[in-house]
Amino acid sequence: GENVEQHPSTLSVQEGDSAVIKCTYSDSASNYFPWYKQELGKGPQLIIDIRSNVGEKKDQRIAVTLNKTAKHFSLHITETQPEDSAVYFCAATRGAAGNKLTFGGGTRVLVKP
Amino acid sequence: EPEVTQTPSHQVTQMGQEVILRCVPISNHLYFYWYRQILGQKVEFLVSFYNNEISEKSEIFDDQFSVERPDGSNFTLKIRSTKLEDSAMYFCASSGGRNEKLFFGSGTQLSVL
Repeated sequence: GENVEQHPSTLSVQEGDSAVIKCTYSDSASNYFPWYKQELGKGPQLIIDIRSNVGEKKDQRIAVTLNKTAKHFSLHITETQPEDSAVYFCAATRGAAGNKLTFGGGTRVLVKP
Repeated sequence: EPEVTQTPSHQVTQMGQEVILRCVPISNHLYFYWYRQILGQKVEFLVSFYNNEISEKSEIFDDQFSVERPDGSNFTLKIRSTKLEDSAMYFCASSGGRNEKLFFGSGTQLSVL
């Protein structure tokens, strides 16, 4: 089955700097890669996703890149703000977005003012 | 924004007891899911449910687990005879379509003593 590895497990950045989180996956048939943000006391919330037919997607300060050949994808947050502090999860699945998601281990991001 | 609601937020039970975790998905959603996260481990898929039947389940979802949509608004996860290793945060999620993003609830923290 699919295995998703996520690095780093914790990330501390200065406000205004960029943050990058990387994930690798094992199943070459996976074709949908969402990223979730989980704030304290809340469930994971989708912040951006990418399908395997594109290499990059951007939404304001957040971008995701995908390298299908190397089977890795990354989340980039630019101009970080204190409210970006949270746990971020990557995930992967094959087929529809509603299929079984395999999650990475999570990255705890702390943005220092 | 509409939310997935889970109750209770915390549940403590004795080993061997039955527990029912409750979820109210977003009202017009048709696809429902349970995931769980054992402390320090990855978020894991348990089961997906559509049209009053299980679409997919993981190897974790054995005969001790069952799901039900007893009425038009609730979606429940029952654990028949809890074990210590069932202690985890259980997340309910729903989506409006097979290929649409998942909305997660805030979770129920289950502690089995």
